[in-house]
Amino acid sequence: EIVLTQSPGTLSLSPGERATLSCRASQSVSSSYLAWYQQKPGQAPRLLIYGASSRATGIPDRFSGSGSGTDFTLTISRLEPEDFAVYYCQQYGSSPLFGGGTKVEIK
Amino acid sequence: QVQLVESGGGLVKPGGSLRLSCAASGFTFSDYYMSWIRQAPGKGLEWVSYISSSGSTIYYADSVKGRFTISRDNAKNSLYLQMNSLRAEDTAVYYCARAPGGEFPVNWFDPWGQGTLVTVSS
Repeated sequence: EIVLTQSPGTLSLSPGERATLSCRASQSVSSSYLAWYQQKPGQAPRLLIYGASSRATGIPDRFSGSGSGTDFTLTISRLEPEDFAVYYCQQYGSSPLFGGGTKVEIK
Repeated sequence: QVQLVESGGGLVKPGGSLRLSCAASGFTFSDYYMSWIRQAPGKGLEWVSYISSSGSTIYYADSVKGRFTISRDNAKNSLYLQMNSLRAEDTAVYYCARAPGGEFPVNWFDPWGQGTLVTVSS
């Protein structure tokens, strides 16, 4: 069974800075079947990226996804105040599985 | 707009049962796979179950297999989760989500409902 490890656990940054979040799989993820979600406190997760690099409808272009195989990255080019949240990756090449999350907090 | 609204959560004793519902609107419900995903308090996300657009194909996570039953009524644009033999570890917010990608397991989740809290405690 694939295990997804997200790092760092917490990222402390200031608005305007660049955020780089990592999602590492214990086995290769088929066909880059990887998604990213954003979750704010008390809210449901929101899809940001699917297929490792395709932005979901309505997602600003400051969010980008990259990677393949076992290493994937979500990059937020310039953090806006509304971007401080928890981010989850999910693989769907086999039974759906989520990573443990990365919290992006205000420094 | 696309909307999913869950209901049916609440407090139940260990060993008890609960039925969750998810009302869908704003899209052709019968065209899409649907899923339930849960999140224990303060924890991460766990996929629970999938159902195909027709209801003919169903998958479960090992943690709920044999205890939970997913179903849908396309005429009512509704998704259901019957939960039996509930355990303390089933305590979570349960989300329904549309799965737009295609056949299992090739599916991400978009959008999600607001969730309904299930608490299993004596």
